[in-house]
Order: sequence, then structure tokens, then C-alpha cells
Amino acid sequence: SSELTQDPAVSVALGHTVRITCQGDSLRRYYVNWYQQKPGQAPVVVFYGENNRPSGIPDRFSGSSSGNTASLTITGAQAEDEADYYCSSRDSSTNHPYVFGTGTKVTVL
Amino acid sequence: EVQLLESGGGLVQPGGSLRLSCAASGFTFVNYGMTWVRQAPGKGLELVSSISDSGKSVYYVDSVKGRFTISRDTSKNTLYLQMNSLRAEDTAVYYCAKEGNCTPTVCYWDVFDVWGPGTMVTVSS
Repeated sequence: SSELTQDPAVSVALGHTVRITCQGDSLRRYYVNWYQQKPGQAPVVVFYGENNRPSGIPDRFSGSSSGNTASLTITGAQAEDEADYYCSSRDSSTNHPYVFGTGTKVTVL
Repeated sequence: EVQLLESGGGLVQPGGSLRLSCAASGFTFVNYGMTWVRQAPGKGLELVSSISDSGKSVYYVDSVKGRFTISRDTSKNTLYLQMNSLRAEDTAVYYCAKEGNCTPTVCYWDVFDVWGPGTMVTVSS
């Protein structure tokens, strides 16, 4: 299957902005979705498609994409945003429907 | 409220079997594809198996082909994963997820918009 590569970890000062990136060939063709996972909990989608934020997700979460790279930006990070973040998209290789990124651990300092 | 709830996990010896269930509520089950995603301890997310809304199309990651079987029962609004010949490397939390998000006017199919809390499968002697 195709791969989606993310930085293993990033840190951000409370109230500052952090960008999480996701790289992969499938992103040239398909939209990316972003999932937040806190310890011991299931993933939750925080941004998906071209420009969609589920109800209940704060507007400090935004997404963008260009070429083979997609980004999730948290503007004004809060303590509760500390979590693992995974990108995902359709897989551009044959018969693999979806692929997940390697995950980024976000630490809010 | 849209909900998914997995059950059936537990401790099993290598070579053993388990059947996971995922009870769905709050949405029209027959209209959505469903997926099982697993997460080994301290690791990332891995898509294990998917089934289309009709049940006619299924997918398995290579590592479980021939050992796992996904199915769905629309009369019970339940998704299943039959896991045979279990190996230590199958140890993980198994999540079921609903594929697609629809509003009254548009559907976006490529997102897992609802997840269950997960069920732990431990394969060990």
C-alpha cells in the first residue's frame, strides 16, 4: 500500500500555533482526513475532506493541502489538544481502500 | 445519537479464535460501509478489514487474509470480525468505524466519522 509519513512528535507552547504535516503520493489524488487520539480513547475525526470540521470540533483546527503534502493547523493550542494525530486518505495503490499516517504526538508546553 | 460498541475481545492462545462484534445504533446501518481498525500497544492505526454497505465487497490487509472474515447482519445492525489462527502479532485494540458522513444534501465517503471505544485482543500463551 501507499505510505503517509508524519513527523513523530512536535511540541507547541500553550496558546501558540502548531502545524502537523502528512506526506504521501495518495494526497495528490485524494483528500486527507485528520484524527485526534487521546490516551486510552478511540480516534476522533477533527478535520476531513476539502474543508470540513465536524460539529463540536473547535475552529482552531484547520486543514490544507498542496501537492503531496497536507497539513493540520492548530491555532492557539490548548492543553486539551495534547494527543496523537493521524492523517488518512484513500490509497492510490490497487485494492487497498485506505491508508493511515504514521502519527504525530503533539505536546502542549 | 450515533454509536458503535465493540465486544468479544479477550485473552486467547496462539492458534485460537475469537469473534468480535460491533453493535451500531443511531444511523441507517445498511447505508454505510464499515471497517475494522486495530492498534497494537504503543503503535499506530492499521486498517484490518472493510465491508461495503451491501456486504458484497470486502477487503483484508495481507497479514490477515485467509484467517479473518468480516461480515454484517443488517437485521441486527451488527458488524462482525471472525478471527481464526490468531498470532501474537494480532494483539491489539480493535476498533470498528463507520465509513462516510452524510448531511441532507451531501455525502463524504472517505472518512471514518464514528468509532467505537474498542475491544482488546491479547494473543498469548
